Amino acid sequence: QKEVEQNSGPLSVPEGAIASLNCTYSDRGSQSFFWYRQYSGKSPELIMSIYSNGDKEDGRFTAQLNKASQYVSLLIRDSQPSDSATYLCAVRAGGSYIPTFGRGTSLIVHP
Amino acid sequence: GAVVSQHPSRVICKSGTSVKIECRSLDFQATTMFWYRQFPKQSLMLMATSNEGSKATYEQGVEKDKFLINHASLTLSTLTVTSAHPEDSSFYICSAREGAGVNTEAFFGQGTRLTVV
Repeated sequence: QKEVEQNSGPLSVPEGAIASLNCTYSDRGSQSFFWYRQYSGKSPELIMSIYSNGDKEDGRFTAQLNKASQYVSLLIRDSQPSDSATYLCAVRAGGSYIPTFGRGTSLIVHP
Repeated sequence: GAVVSQHPSRVICKSGTSVKIECRSLDFQATTMFWYRQFPKQSLMLMATSNEGSKATYEQGVEKDKFLINHASLTLSTLTVTSAHPEDSSFYICSAREGAGVNTEAFFGQGTRLTVV
């Protein structure tokens, strides 16, 4: 059973702070990792993908992958109220085309 | 990122009727398309996976005769909810995967909010 775990939150941070979202996964054969943002009532939107250990930065977002510890995280710098959403972690095993989604972490950025 | 268009965005239908939802990849060829259902404040639930030209693979507990999926081309997949009932009311979302390699991404359509009355 492939599992992707996320703290459901809500994670509340003040505007301008760094929001740190974490995700752990059970399948050591996982090779592809994704972070999606989902606003209430909307469909998920891909923010970041990461495939190798280390950090990957894109604007205010940084994805961090540690395969040895089986976790992937998303850092949001200079958090804005517009970042308030549910963040979904998705993991895909090598040889599989089906991603496994976590239940999502609700982020609230308050002014 | 690539664009996936889903239509309609919202539909209300009478109990017992069928509803068709379309999912199109606009600027890429989607080797695989996924259909999800999401109830309020719950996580995504994968319903089925379809590859162009072949039958869809349904997840356990999803009735293939009720949720008909057709993936006729590399840019179009449809989900038909047959004989819809109020319990089928949900947010249906398609996702399309670009390419077939390891480092490929999947993009979501806008979703269809189905209300069965």
